[in-house]
Amino acid sequence: SQKIEQNSEALNIQEGKTATLTCNYTNYSPAYLQWYRQDPGRGPVFLLLIRENEKEKRKERLKVTFDTTLKQSLFHITASQPADSATYLCALRGYNQGGKLIFGQGTELSVKP
Amino acid sequence: DGGITQSPKYLFRKEGQNVTLSCEQNLNHDAMYWYRQDPGQGLRLIYYSQIVNDFQKGDIAEGYSVSREKKESFPLTVTSAQKNPTAFYLCASKDRGTANTGELFFGEGSRLTVL
Repeated sequence: SQKIEQNSEALNIQEGKTATLTCNYTNYSPAYLQWYRQDPGRGPVFLLLIRENEKEKRKERLKVTFDTTLKQSLFHITASQPADSATYLCALRGYNQGGKLIFGQGTELSVKP
Repeated sequence: DGGITQSPKYLFRKEGQNVTLSCEQNLNHDAMYWYRQDPGQGLRLIYYSQIVNDFQKGDIAEGYSVSREKKESFPLTVTSAQKNPTAFYLCASKDRGTANTGELFFGEGSRLTVL
């Protein structure tokens, strides 16, 4: 069966450390994968997109990797700050999904000062 | 400012009642989407529309209906046939231009509670 999974347990880290979130997928052929940030009671906000032929993308303190062999994307926040505390969602668009985005359940990140 | 506006933010409904959630965008996007979010689950697609006067069912369309009479508006009706309607509902839009990143722009959501 097709699945897209993120760590269901919240990630707690100390300010200044690097946060690493994982997104694994099964039985999809992704054209690209996206990461969104969602604050409590708010709509998700787009952060980054990485395509199937890209290994890594960076944007300021954010870095995303994409390994189509491992069927996994990693999302890194370097020099994390308490303001980075939120839930982070991954979403993939598959070649055989009619153009639809499929979302993971999200991982809650808490950065302690 | 351009964006997506959802209303109401909070809505309470008695069992057996239909309710309509509003979604308006001024981004000039062709495509619009409705998602449902439940705790511990990913966003699930209810309905989407790629163009005015056309829409398609998503993965969980049963008990819901939509219309797309104007480019700017994509209201969602939660009917009494929806067995478990209590959830957080998110509307989104997307630019269908070829240079886009596939980025979805989301509204702030509507939380529906059935009493």
